[in-house]
Amino acid sequence: GESVGLHLPTLSVQEGDNSIINCAYSNSASDYFIWYKQESGKGPQFIIDIRSNMDKRQGQRVTVLLNKTVKHLSLQIAATQPGDSAVYFCAENLRGGGSNYKLTFGKGTLLTVNP
Amino acid sequence: NAGVMQNPRHLVRRRGQEARLRCSPMKGHSHVYWYRQLPEEGLKFMVYLQKENIIDESGMPKERFSAEFPKEGPSILRIQQVVRGDSAAYFCASSRSAGNTIYFGEGSWLTVV
Repeated sequence: GESVGLHLPTLSVQEGDNSIINCAYSNSASDYFIWYKQESGKGPQFIIDIRSNMDKRQGQRVTVLLNKTVKHLSLQIAATQPGDSAVYFCAENLRGGGSNYKLTFGKGTLLTVNP
Repeated sequence: NAGVMQNPRHLVRRRGQEARLRCSPMKGHSHVYWYRQLPEEGLKFMVYLQKENIIDESGMPKERFSAEFPKEGPSILRIQQVVRGDSAAYFCASSRSAGNTIYFGEGSWLTVV
């Protein structure tokens, strides 16, 4: 079946270092990808998105890279801070017919930032 | 600028009871989505609604689960005759239109005892 998955379930980094969270997807027809951050007991918080016609997109301290050749997505966080500690999900947009729109989430990567 | 509002945040139900979860989308958003998250798993799509219409319910269990988004008032996710396996976090999300960014609420945690 088609799914979105993550290479590593956990990632531990030192405060101030850069973090890279990876994600693989299998649906070559997907055209939209999003990264969400979820803190314990809270809902997913939108971080950044990218459409399939782009390879890279930058936000504040975050960069998303899309490699369609190998169906790989990554989230780079610069100068990681303790407040960045959370579970990070990549999500894939599976566009259906008409106005259907739904996301398929991976299982998530737990990022822990050590002071 | 209020975000997606969900209530209750926590709900405890005994097996066989009904659970009703409410969601008010962000201002200006007319598209609502419900997702379920089991412990230590990613979110799973359940249903996509617009006002008075169910657009895509392919992720909804065939029995006991229903959703609505009436012309007036919040969207409701209703679970009848709850079982322990229904224990999960239920997230509502909204967008201005299909294809726009989806924003999630803080979730409703259902515990079935």
